[in-house]
Amino acid sequence: DAEITQSPRHKITETGRQVTLACHQTWNHNNMFWYRQDLGHGLRLIHYSYGVHDTNKGEVSDGYSVSRSNTEDLPLTLESAASSQTSVYFCASSIGRVDEQYFGPGTRLTVT
Amino acid sequence: DAKTTQPNSMESNEEEPVHLPCNHSTISGTDYIHWYRQLPSQGPEYVIHGLTSNVNNRMASLAIAEDRKSSTLILHRATLRDAAVYYCTLSSYNQGGKLIFGQGTELSVKP
Repeated sequence: DAEITQSPRHKITETGRQVTLACHQTWNHNNMFWYRQDLGHGLRLIHYSYGVHDTNKGEVSDGYSVSRSNTEDLPLTLESAASSQTSVYFCASSIGRVDEQYFGPGTRLTVT
Repeated sequence: DAKTTQPNSMESNEEEPVHLPCNHSTISGTDYIHWYRQLPSQGPEYVIHGLTSNVNNRMASLAIAEDRKSSTLILHRATLRDAAVYYCTLSSYNQGGKLIFGQGTELSVKP
């Protein structure tokens, strides 16, 4: 069965380190999204991509970057982790821009 | 970006219908109404979406007001597994399909 996976599921890192969170989907969806979820803020969009080599900033993109070298993967990089980036990160994909999004299980990131 | 407003929490009894309301008074003509739900420690799960007409699928029904300023997610027979946070969101092609999540409604189901 097609699926969307994220790794690692849990990560603890130190302030200032570079961290990369992986997202892999096997649906062959063109659209992929990264969200973060914090208490009191719900889910907020970080970056998104409509296809290979396409990336776009979401509402909370500062301190994050993504690259899309193939259809299946959209890794999220924190250039220099900050305590404010402690959060749960969700990746999602969709076949069309307004179609249903399928979410991964999430990565819980703690920055100490 | 258009926003949605939902009650913070609702209660239901098992095997009874549940009507979850959502207001989106600033919705634009190209915004699709999406509903997702999230169980504890899991990612959001797609429930249903629509543009203008009411929609049905195996999980739920979506009733959209004629002026599209509100919608209602209908769970026909609530089960204990339906206890979750339900999010009403909007998605616009012009905005790249991004979902704007509000705080959601926490649904509890009593046996």
